[in-house]
Amino acid sequence: GENVEQHPSTLSVQEGDSAVIKCTYSDSASNYFPWYKQELGKRPQLIIDIRSNVGEKKDQRIAVTLNKTAKHFSLHITETQPEDSAVYFCAASISGSARQLTFGSGTQLTVLP
Amino acid sequence: EAGVAQSPRYKIIEKRQSVAFWCNPISGHATLYWYQQILGQGPKLLIQFQNNGVVDDSQLPKDRFSAERLKGVDSTLKIQPAKLEDSAVYLCASRTTSGRGYEQYFGPGTRLTVT
Repeated sequence: GENVEQHPSTLSVQEGDSAVIKCTYSDSASNYFPWYKQELGKRPQLIIDIRSNVGEKKDQRIAVTLNKTAKHFSLHITETQPEDSAVYFCAASISGSARQLTFGSGTQLTVLP
Repeated sequence: EAGVAQSPRYKIIEKRQSVAFWCNPISGHATLYWYQQILGQGPKLLIQFQNNGVVDDSQLPKDRFSAERLKGVDSTLKIQPAKLEDSAVYLCASRTTSGRGYEQYFGPGTRLTVT
């Protein structure tokens, strides 16, 4: 089955700096890659996603890039703010009726004021 | 629209006891998932339903875990008997099968502590 590796496990940045989180996946059939943000004690919430027919997607301060050849994708957060502090999970899915998500192990992002 | 509802939010039980969790998905969402999230890890899929049928339960420890989705709406997940390693947050998620249908919406989860 699919395996998703996520790095780093913890990341501290100064407010205003950029943060980058990287994930690799094993199944070349995967074609949907969402990123979820989970604040302490709360539910995971989708912040951005990308499909394999697109190489990059941006939404304000957040962007995701996908390299299908290398089977890796990354989350980029620019101009970080304290409220960006949370655990971020990447995931991968194969299209079809199942569309099951395989999650990475998470990255604890801390934005220092 | 109302989100995914789960109850209870917290549960503490002793090992070998049984426990049940309830999930009410977003109205109209045909697909429902149960995930187990152990502290410090990503959610791990336990079981997936499409309407009231099981799509995948390959990662469900069937000797102690069971789940059902009667009438294709609400779902319950049961553990009997519980073990210490079952301590985790149990997340329910739902997804529509119409249109894009990619995003999974998560409930707030049930935090289970087994002592």
